Amino acid sequence: EAGVAQSPRYKIIEKRQSVAFWCNPISGHATLYWYQQILGQGPKLLIQFQNNGVVDDSQLPKDRFSAERLKGVDSTLKIQPAKLEDSAVYLCASSITGSSNQPQHFGDGTRLSIL
Amino acid sequence: GQQLNQSPQSMFIQEGEDVSMNCTSSSIFNTWLWYKQDPGEGPVLLIALYKAGELTSNGRLTAQFGITRKDSFLNISASIPSDVGIYFCAGQSPGSARQLTFGSGTQLTVLP
Repeated sequence: EAGVAQSPRYKIIEKRQSVAFWCNPISGHATLYWYQQILGQGPKLLIQFQNNGVVDDSQLPKDRFSAERLKGVDSTLKIQPAKLEDSAVYLCASSITGSSNQPQHFGDGTRLSIL
Repeated sequence: GQQLNQSPQSMFIQEGEDVSMNCTSSSIFNTWLWYKQDPGEGPVLLIALYKAGELTSNGRLTAQFGITRKDSFLNISASIPSDVGIYFCAGQSPGSARQLTFGSGTQLTVLP
């Protein structure tokens, strides 16, 4: 089966600019996750969707970050305006459901550099 | 929020040696997962543990879910060059959201 697709692979912007990332999960996976991975750290969950509804966005900096999954399939994550500390890899993952016995499958991420 | 302490932070071993890494938490988890991440790629699931005390193997990899539900270890036997990478533990907490919390990773280098 095809894996989680993410684009772009790399993005370089200046601070205060806006940026958007796209994710297409594995077909049939109801749950979609966005993670932020800062260099040298493990991934940190930003937001979790179940179909087109938000399950958990407690760690999403809502003053600048937004995410949507309007049709319950692919998703976009936006940062507006970007800050230097947003430099990181943004990983998308999906699972069949949000149950603990359903593993999360990760895409290869978008590497964001803020100048 | 919850934090996982993963150790060691990095390891340099000779090819053929065994290696062990572990994670501890101040709170309990219902699930422990071990992932491997290669440069430029997303984490790939190696082993999933669902019950306290569970010991699971996947080829040369063995992982255990601690009986206190606050720790887990991963062993790799007879290491080979392709074992190089960053290994992450992750715990899934009880509750409806079942959020995954990741450790900070163990960078493994295998010397020929």
